[in-house]
Amino acid sequence: QVQLVESGGGLVKPGGSLTLSCAASGFTFSNYYMTWIRQAPGKGLEWVSYISPSGGSQYYADSVRGRFTISRDNAKNSLYLQMNSLRAEDTAFYYCVRFYYYHYYMDVWGKGTTVTVSS
Amino acid sequence: QSALTQPASVSGSPGQSITISCTGTSSDVGGYNYVSWYQQHLGKAPKLMIYEVSNRPSGVSNRFSGSKSGNTASLTISGLQAEDEADYYCTSYTSSSTLVFGGGTKLTVL
Repeated sequence: QVQLVESGGGLVKPGGSLTLSCAASGFTFSNYYMTWIRQAPGKGLEWVSYISPSGGSQYYADSVRGRFTISRDNAKNSLYLQMNSLRAEDTAFYYCVRFYYYHYYMDVWGKGTTVTVSS
Repeated sequence: QSALTQPASVSGSPGQSITISCTGTSSDVGGYNYVSWYQQHLGKAPKLMIYEVSNRPSGVSNRFSGSKSGNTASLTISGLQAEDEADYYCTSYTSSSTLVFGGGTKLTVL
């Protein structure tokens, strides 16, 4: 079945770096836009970034632009989020989500991975 | 990228109908028919309930419906059931080619 499984979360100090991964299965990964959504503890959902099927186009929320980089490896059916210069406010649950471009909705969500930024 | 405005909470009794509003601007909600709604039960990943303002994905109950007027989109749940108790989020495409979420609404079934 269609599945997204995130990994790579953990505890990191402010200013540190972390890379999240998302393994996709059950669908033709290279045909779809993909996106990262995050949710701070007890807070609402926040869109982080999305990437085109080829990886050639990326868009970012103002809050992460210049610090986070989204990428993908279609041969490995994998999506990534490299996070640099991490701040306490980046502490959140990060979801990998399949994104229908041109219709702008998200239909398949992973279970998420936790990132904690703390000294 | 200001968040869309949703009421923090709504409530209703079983069998009743409730409506959750989602207010944005002409640069997001009002400018495009790309509003979607997500249901999130405690500790779970969100689930798509409505896309493109009023379309229901396969498998979503027809008790859920969506609409839009101007800069405000709405999600209506009719025949409220206990299992509908959850957080609900709207999201919209924006003129900057980004996405923006609402702050979320906690639905309590009394």
